[in-house]
Amino acid sequence: GQNIDQPTEMTATEGAIVQINCTYQTSGFNGLFWYQQHAGEAPTFLSYNVLDGLEEKGRFSSFLSRSKGYSYLLLKELQMKDSASYLCAPKGGYNKLIFGAGTRLAVHP
Amino acid sequence: DADVTQTPRNRITKTGKRIMLECSQTKGHDRMYWYRQDPGLGLRLIYYSFDVKDINKGEISDGYSVSRQAQAKFSLSLESAIPNQTALYFCATSDRGGNSPLHFGNGTRLTVT
Repeated sequence: GQNIDQPTEMTATEGAIVQINCTYQTSGFNGLFWYQQHAGEAPTFLSYNVLDGLEEKGRFSSFLSRSKGYSYLLLKELQMKDSASYLCAPKGGYNKLIFGAGTRLAVHP
Repeated sequence: DADVTQTPRNRITKTGKRIMLECSQTKGHDRMYWYRQDPGLGLRLIYYSFDVKDINKGEISDGYSVSRQAQAKFSLSLESAIPNQTALYFCATSDRGGNSPLHFGNGTRLTVT
């Protein structure tokens, strides 16, 4: 079957670092996307990993281990505007994108 | 102007009514998608289209139909709305290529009473 597991909620302090984990099981694998979604708004693309390792993009980095079915999103120097939901979305067989329920991150001063 | 535009932004309708949600894009992408989002659940794919003559069912297509009127337009219809179709609906587009991300419209909040 296909399954995505990520924490429902996390809290962190402004200026800190937070890691949002995602484990997945898919039939086939063609990469993994992370999206950010502010409340009531559309998801926006953050990162894409298809090979094992870390992809860094400014304050955000994403890691993938295909053998472990595991990814994480690392957010550094947290800002209040980073309060949002973060959606893990692996692409399975037939290039079908599957979304997790998302992790709601609250950043406090 | 938004690259992916959905209309209406909000809609309240009664059980049994037929309604249409519309999506247009200026990104020039061939691929278009309709998703619904419910609290506590991930985005779920309703229908997708890889070009004007291609329509495919997603994981939850029952009770929905779509029309791809042009490369830039993809509409979603609820033939006879029911309360459990109350949700936030998103249209999205993507370029070809496995690493191409989805670009979402601002969503339509639909309430069926």
